[in-house]
Amino acid sequence: AQSVTQPDIHITVSEGASLELRCNYSYGATPYLFWYVQSPGQGLQLLLKYFSGDTLVQGIKGFEAEFKRSQSSFNLRKPSVHWSDAAEYFCAVGDDTDKLIFGTGTRLQVFP
Amino acid sequence: GAVVSQHPSWVICKSGTSVKIECRSLDFQATTMFWYRQFPKQSLMLMATSNEGSKATYEQGVEKDKFLINHASLTLSTLTVTSAHPEDSSFYICSAPRDNGITDTQYFGPGTRLTVL
Repeated sequence: AQSVTQPDIHITVSEGASLELRCNYSYGATPYLFWYVQSPGQGLQLLLKYFSGDTLVQGIKGFEAEFKRSQSSFNLRKPSVHWSDAAEYFCAVGDDTDKLIFGTGTRLQVFP
Repeated sequence: GAVVSQHPSWVICKSGTSVKIECRSLDFQATTMFWYRQFPKQSLMLMATSNEGSKATYEQGVEKDKFLINHASLTLSTLTVTSAHPEDSSFYICSAPRDNGITDTQYFGPGTRLTVL
């Protein structure tokens, strides 16, 4: 069955520190992979996506993610976190039906 | 970027009543929209696919008679929670895919928080 696992429920980092949010997936074929961010009162915003090609994907707000087929992972990274990055982050897997399966999310807290 | 709106943002209702939630794509047309449900501190779970001009497709375990979906136009889908009960209290989110030339990108509404007393 298709599934997405985000092992870290809650992560706390200091502003300016680097960040890596983990995502592992289980999918029968080559998946479409996504990272979304959810802030209170706002809809989920797409940070980046992977469909094919270069396995290192650049997104908005300075985020990037790397698709590693051998590890079934699609970890999200940012070299220097800003206080405004505090939010809930969701990894998702999909296909050409446009349906998405979401992970349980990782709440990021940023300390000044 | 594309915008998807939801109305209302939050609603409180009595047990046994019905509640309608609207999802609109404001600057693009969507033949398909999706409805998700999110419990506190949990992930989004796909409930159903709303299809313009035809019946919605429900995910396994979702009661189609309880969660009525109508895709009235290319920019509007509605979710009606019928005979709501406290266990229906949740955060309901819609999304609409927009063709960006190569692939679709999902745009999400801000969500509707339903509280059933």
